[in-house]
Amino acid sequence: DIQMTQSPSSLSASVGDRVTITCQASKDISNYLNWYQQKPGKAPKLLIYDASNLETGVPSRFSGSGSGTDFTFTISSLQTEDIATYYCQQYDNLPLTFGGGTKVEIK
Amino acid sequence: QVQLVQSGAEVKKPGASVKVSCKASGYTFTSYHMHWVRQAPGQGLEWMGIINPSGGSTSYAQKFQGRVTMTRDTSTSTVYMELSSLRSEDTAVYYCARDRQQLGLSYGMDVWGQGTTVTVSS
Repeated sequence: DIQMTQSPSSLSASVGDRVTITCQASKDISNYLNWYQQKPGKAPKLLIYDASNLETGVPSRFSGSGSGTDFTFTISSLQTEDIATYYCQQYDNLPLTFGGGTKVEIK
Repeated sequence: QVQLVQSGAEVKKPGASVKVSCKASGYTFTSYHMHWVRQAPGQGLEWMGIINPSGGSTSYAQKFQGRVTMTRDTSTSTVYMELSSLRSEDTAVYYCARDRQQLGLSYGMDVWGQGTTVTVSS
């Protein structure tokens, strides 16, 4: 199975800050990577697909980049409604696997 | 609107089976694959497998092979996930999630059910 390593596991930032999360795959997965947001008690929500494509309706402050083994997810200006846990997910190989998550909090 | 509505919470004893349903509405049921993902308390997301509602073909994560069965009923636009030989480690919220690709596979999940809590306890 492909291992997905996210860092940091948690972070605290101020409203308006730029937030960056990284995700590293245990092997080359090209751009076969998605990012999800999960708010407490809710189902995950797809934000980014194919590493860098914004899902319809998702605010443009969210972005993704990377290919191969190293990927980045960025919130350009953190808002209070962005408080959530974020997960990367690879789909180069089955089984689909997720990173361990990054919990984003407001400082 | 597009939505997935799952069955209610379950409490099961170790060794029992559980069957969770996921009823789709607002789109053509047979045009989109359906994934099942679970999340243990305080933990991350774990993919269990996928079903093609059109033909009923399935693919399961090796971890669940032999214990999980995914089926569908096209007459009611419902998919089912049955997990057998339950143990305490299977206590989790189980989600169905639609693949975002119509008439294909993208392995991205764009519509999710509300989740079904399954508790395994003696």
